[in-house]
Amino acid sequence: EPEVTQTPSHQVTQMGQEVILRCVPISNHLYFYWYRQILGQKVEFLVSFYNNEISEKSEIFDDQFSVERPDGSNFTLKIRSTKLEDSAMYFCASSEVDNSNYGYTFGSGTRLTVV
Amino acid sequence: SQQGEEDPQALSIQEGENATMNCSYKTSINNLQWYRQNSGRGLVHLILIRSNEREKHSGRLRVTLDTSKKSSSLLITASRAADTASYFCATPPGSARQLTFGSGTQLTVLP
Repeated sequence: EPEVTQTPSHQVTQMGQEVILRCVPISNHLYFYWYRQILGQKVEFLVSFYNNEISEKSEIFDDQFSVERPDGSNFTLKIRSTKLEDSAMYFCASSEVDNSNYGYTFGSGTRLTVV
Repeated sequence: SQQGEEDPQALSIQEGENATMNCSYKTSINNLQWYRQNSGRGLVHLILIRSNEREKHSGRLRVTLDTSKKSSSLLITASRAADTASYFCATPPGSARQLTFGSGTQLTVLP
């Protein structure tokens, strides 16, 4: 069964450093998403991406965050200057068509720890 | 309650019993989805029910949706120890694509 692949599975970074989280969505999917889950809290939407541009973003997705699809297969989330409160599981997801009728496929997540 | 709130927060049952989890939401929706998350792992899509559907089955899963009460339930029949996980309902509110997740129900199935 096709999978969404995320790397790395765990990343530890110093506060203030830049991190790039990588995702390989399912190949025929057109919509891509990033979500995060702070330990013990709800899964929160960050951003959706379609046709090489951001289609929706949440209040969490401020200027410190950016997304890119650099080569047609990878989908990356960059955090420019990490803060302690950015520590969370980050999930990438993709969907073949508009989510309104189909579920997402999520990756296994990257656990980001900012120290 | 917030969009997509599950209850109970935690549920512990014996293997073979049925488990029922409920979800309430506030805004109008096109569909409601249930996901499972094993501890520290990713989210697995279980089932999606559209707003014009009242009940849906998938294997041992049965989902109901009552749009008049803005609520849904997930029933897992003949539970197994491997069903131990957190279960979340999620909705795309209105016409949005993004999902709003609830806080989840932690299900523990005892062997």
